[in-house]
Amino acid sequence: DAKTTQPPSMDCAEGRAANLPCNHSTISGNEYVYWYRQIHSQGPQYIIHGLKNNETNEMASLIITEDRKSSTLILPHATLRDTAVYYCIVRSGGYQKVTFGIGTKLQVIP
Amino acid sequence: EAQVTQNPRYLITVTGKKLTVTCSQNMNHEYMSWYRQDPGLGLRQIYYSMNVEVTDKGDVPEGYKVSRKEKRNFPLILESPSPNQTSLYFCASSPLPGTSAEAFFGQGTRLTVV
Repeated sequence: DAKTTQPPSMDCAEGRAANLPCNHSTISGNEYVYWYRQIHSQGPQYIIHGLKNNETNEMASLIITEDRKSSTLILPHATLRDTAVYYCIVRSGGYQKVTFGIGTKLQVIP
Repeated sequence: EAQVTQNPRYLITVTGKKLTVTCSQNMNHEYMSWYRQDPGLGLRQIYYSMNVEVTDKGDVPEGYKVSRKEKRNFPLILESPSPNQTSLYFCASSPLPGTSAEAFFGQGTRLTVV
């Protein structure tokens, strides 16, 4: 699986959009980009995933660059409950190991 | 309700005393996996299983065993626990990778080995 690179921490004002970047420059054509988040020490929670098109659901939007080497998770109106560690991972069908990095610790500030 | 259930949630044990952490999922998922989480190191994969009787090593398999005799269960076995296995452990399940489906995680098992 391709490795990902994320900033270790970010701050965001409550009510503003939180834009979390992820670099996956070695991603291959059959690998999906997934985002998860972990609140305190709970089990990680799925947020969204995509292959090459931008995606949106009730939680967030995912913007994938045309070359697929990077992506951005957007939380449109961050709340205090969005304070968490956010993980960007890539996974495919041919290689079954799944690697999580240390993620981005997002702090939403009142 | 779709869920992954781990037991126990908390465990304190002594060095060398064999223990098993159970993991069960009710979604008929083929793929299951174990992770450990340590401060500053993120989530590291210990073992994974693509189906019954099919298991393989992740990034940090030393000191651990797993088995997959039934599709729903994927226990993690520590034959002789040591203090460096003190950690927060998560079990996860999903349909096979490549089917663009999300993984579901259990709530974690906090293990302390003294």
